[in-house]
Amino acid sequence: GDSVTQMEGPVTLSEEAFLTINCTYTATGYPSLFWYVQYPGEGLQLLLKATKADDKGSNKGFEATYRKETTSFHLEKGSVQVSDSAVYFCALSEGADKLIFGTGTRLQVFP
Amino acid sequence: EPEVTQTPSHQVTQMGQEVILRCVPISNHLYFYWYRQILGQKVEFLVSFYNNEISEKSEIFDDQFSVERPDGSNFTLKIRSTKLEDSAMYFCASRETGLTEAFFGQGTRLTVV
Repeated sequence: GDSVTQMEGPVTLSEEAFLTINCTYTATGYPSLFWYVQYPGEGLQLLLKATKADDKGSNKGFEATYRKETTSFHLEKGSVQVSDSAVYFCALSEGADKLIFGTGTRLQVFP
Repeated sequence: EPEVTQTPSHQVTQMGQEVILRCVPISNHLYFYWYRQILGQKVEFLVSFYNNEISEKSEIFDDQFSVERPDGSNFTLKIRSTKLEDSAMYFCASRETGLTEAFFGQGTRLTVV
């Protein structure tokens, strides 16, 4: 079945460092891909999405490109802030159906 | 900005008791979902609901669980006889027709003691 694999956390960075959180997926068709973020004590917020190969999703300085050849959707940000500290979930959806999530990656940014 | 709202934010219940978790999806959304997240683990799909019926459910969603849309705005998840392992954060989500992304509520933390 479909699945999402994320890099283990926590990822610990200093403010203004470059961030990459790896995400790869397995799917039978052509899924849409998402990154959701969960700030401490809060629910899941959609961060960005991409619906087809080579699409780049972006929001709040975060970017991810849908790479069909490597079945990847890695999350990147050029300069992280303390306020970016959260858990980041990669997810896929086939046919605009249910979401399948990765295990989540905790990001901790220190000043 | 429209949002999905869930009540209560935290519910403590005794094992064997019934609980009802409530959700108000975004008003023009027609697809509804429940997910759960056991502490420290991944977010898991429970059930999807469209046109007043379940469209898909996971293995977790056994006979102890049921969903209902009792009126035009609420969407509920009932757990008939709670078990300790039902302790988790339960998220409701909704999606607009034609779009791929789902929007989540803040969650209800269920603690079964």
